[in-house]
Amino acid sequence: EVQLVASGGGLVQPGESLRLSCAASGLSFSDHYMDWVRQAPGKGLEWVGRIRNRANRYTTEYAASVEGRFIISRDDSQNSLFLQMDSLKTEDTALYYCGRVRCDTPFSCSGYFDFWGQGTLVTVSS
Amino acid sequence: AIQLTQSPSSLSASVGDRVTITCRASQDMSDALAWYQQRPGKPPKVLIYDASRLQSGVPSRFIGSGYGTYFTLTISSLQPEDFATYSCQQFKAYPLSFGGGTKVDIK
Repeated sequence: EVQLVASGGGLVQPGESLRLSCAASGLSFSDHYMDWVRQAPGKGLEWVGRIRNRANRYTTEYAASVEGRFIISRDDSQNSLFLQMDSLKTEDTALYYCGRVRCDTPFSCSGYFDFWGQGTLVTVSS
Repeated sequence: AIQLTQSPSSLSASVGDRVTITCRASQDMSDALAWYQQRPGKPPKVLIYDASRLQSGVPSRFIGSGYGTYFTLTISSLQPEDFATYSCQQFKAYPLSFGGGTKVDIK
């Protein structure tokens, strides 16, 4: 079965940390860019950040709202994507999705998402 | 940063109706735009990419058009399974961004 399974969400207090994971199965992973996108309750989608593939040196991009607090990494040997979230704020409360970016070749990637995981809920509250 | 403004934010329509959703960008994006459908409790699903290209497996009643700063998603004949929220996304420049979404519900 083709799937991206996000996990690691939960309830934390402001200032605490959390690490999310996204496991890929049944689909190509290592040649693709991978992103995190979040959705606050009842709100629209918000892009969090991207990690490129090995061909592009695993470079990253982040939204301004998380830059310096969140780090995206990946382990291609395990078909896994990670999001380390530090100094969490109440406004980080959201459902976090992992998304695969369409890449026709490792050097030819678009910027939209052709597969999405189900999401994992992060709640930051005191 | 590129801002995307969708309109309307919600609409009510009947099965068989033709529905058009608009996405306006704050700067020229050429055709670096995708449209997604999201049903309640589900992740988004891509419908259209590169402004007008139909994603494989998506019904042909979904039509994307536009270039530059003005884009539309048209559903030519609304079906029961189309009642959902639709969002545009730009991938012209970082940070990537999404429109606020358009909820399509049953009249």
